[in-house]
Amino acid sequence: EVQLAESGGGLVQPGGSLRLSCEGSGFSLSDHYMDWVRQAPGKGLEWVGRTRNKADRYTTEYAASVKGRFIISRDYSENLLYLHMNSLKIEDTAVYYCVRVPGSTRADLWGQGTLVTVSS
Amino acid sequence: IQLTQSPSFLSASVGDRVTITCRATQGINNYLDWYQQKPGKAPELLIYAASILQSGVPSRFSGSASGTDFTLTISSLQPEDFATYYCQQLDNYPLTFGGGTRVDIK
Repeated sequence: EVQLAESGGGLVQPGGSLRLSCEGSGFSLSDHYMDWVRQAPGKGLEWVGRTRNKADRYTTEYAASVKGRFIISRDYSENLLYLHMNSLKIEDTAVYYCVRVPGSTRADLWGQGTLVTVSS
Repeated sequence: IQLTQSPSFLSASVGDRVTITCRATQGINNYLDWYQQKPGKAPELLIYAASILQSGVPSRFSGSASGTDFTLTISSLQPEDFATYYCQQLDNYPLTFGGGTRVDIK
């Protein structure tokens, strides 16, 4: 079955760090652009960042709100996507989704999401 | 690029024709997608490139574009369509979403 599964969410203090993982099944993550999207409790969707596919050398883009604090990386051998989150702020509290984006223009497969809570 | 969705909330009955609009602050080459999200669930892709129906999505959903104005239409609202709908532009970084439209039962 083709699916994405996030893990690694939890409670972290302001200023702390956390690494989210996203495991792909039934397809190769390397072939696709992959995004991270988040949703604060009761709020709308916010794009966090993107890593391009192997053909486009896995280059990355980030939202201004996380640039310099978050890094997207891949484990090519294990078909994993990561979101490294540093200097976390209370406003980073959200459900984080990893998303497959074929052709860079349609988000056709979403994980179930993992909740990150930043609180003292 | 900012996307303004309207209305932010609408109340409708089963069988109604529903239209949701999304206006971009500049041209986005029709790289505009629509998603449906139900409470506690991940969003699901309905329409991509403004008007192309994603595989498996019922044909009562359709999308159209006119310049920087985009429209999602549900031709005959079904009980399973009560949800929140979002547009997203994928033309320019940073990618952006509209604020969402919640569709409730009248």
